[in-house]
Amino acid sequence: GQQVMQIPQYQHVQEGEDFTTYCNSSTTLSNIQWYKQRPGGHPVFLIQLVKSGEVKKQKRLTFQFGEAKKNSSLHITATQTTDVGTYFCAGRGSGGSNYKLTFGKGTLLTVNP
Amino acid sequence: NAGVTQTPKFQVLKTGQSMTLQCAQDMNHNSMYWYRQDPGMGLRLIYYSASEGTTDKGEVPNGYNVSRLNKREFSLRLESAAPSQTSVYFCASSEGRWAGRETQYFGPGTRLLVL
Repeated sequence: GQQVMQIPQYQHVQEGEDFTTYCNSSTTLSNIQWYKQRPGGHPVFLIQLVKSGEVKKQKRLTFQFGEAKKNSSLHITATQTTDVGTYFCAGRGSGGSNYKLTFGKGTLLTVNP
Repeated sequence: NAGVTQTPKFQVLKTGQSMTLQCAQDMNHNSMYWYRQDPGMGLRLIYYSASEGTTDKGEVPNGYNVSRLNKREFSLRLESAAPSQTSVYFCASSEGRWAGRETQYFGPGTRLLVL
């Protein structure tokens, strides 16, 4: 079945440092979504990428979708304590009835003030 | 607008007991989902419903049953709970029937401990 791998599993940074998490799929994806989950909370949708090579920005967050639509990344510039949480990517396969999202295991980001 | 609500928030069961987790959404969404989240495992889909009266298995359906009671409500039942079902359960919904292409809105979760 479809697998979505996410690295690193954990990342601890000093406030102000940059942070990147990477997502890789075993198969070509139709689209990829990113979610953020604060400690003790529930996942909250951040963004969706659909096109090959797509880049989207939300303030200090930059999301990229690879040319082959098999990988994606989330980059946070100048982290803040409010960025703490687990970031998940979730991909949808490109074939047939594979309409469901497969989530990566997430990257837990902690920020030292 | 409450969004997606789940009850109960916490539950402790003994092995072999049964229970139903309730989920409701007030956004008039067509699709609803049940996920479980275990440490280091991310979110895994248990069951999915694209519309009232239809359900489909996800990645980890064994040991669970679901009912899409109406457009608003989607319940998850554990007939005979096992310690391996200790987890945090999230219900989610999305507007249309194309699950993987839409924003999913998650409920606050139910924390279940099976002894």
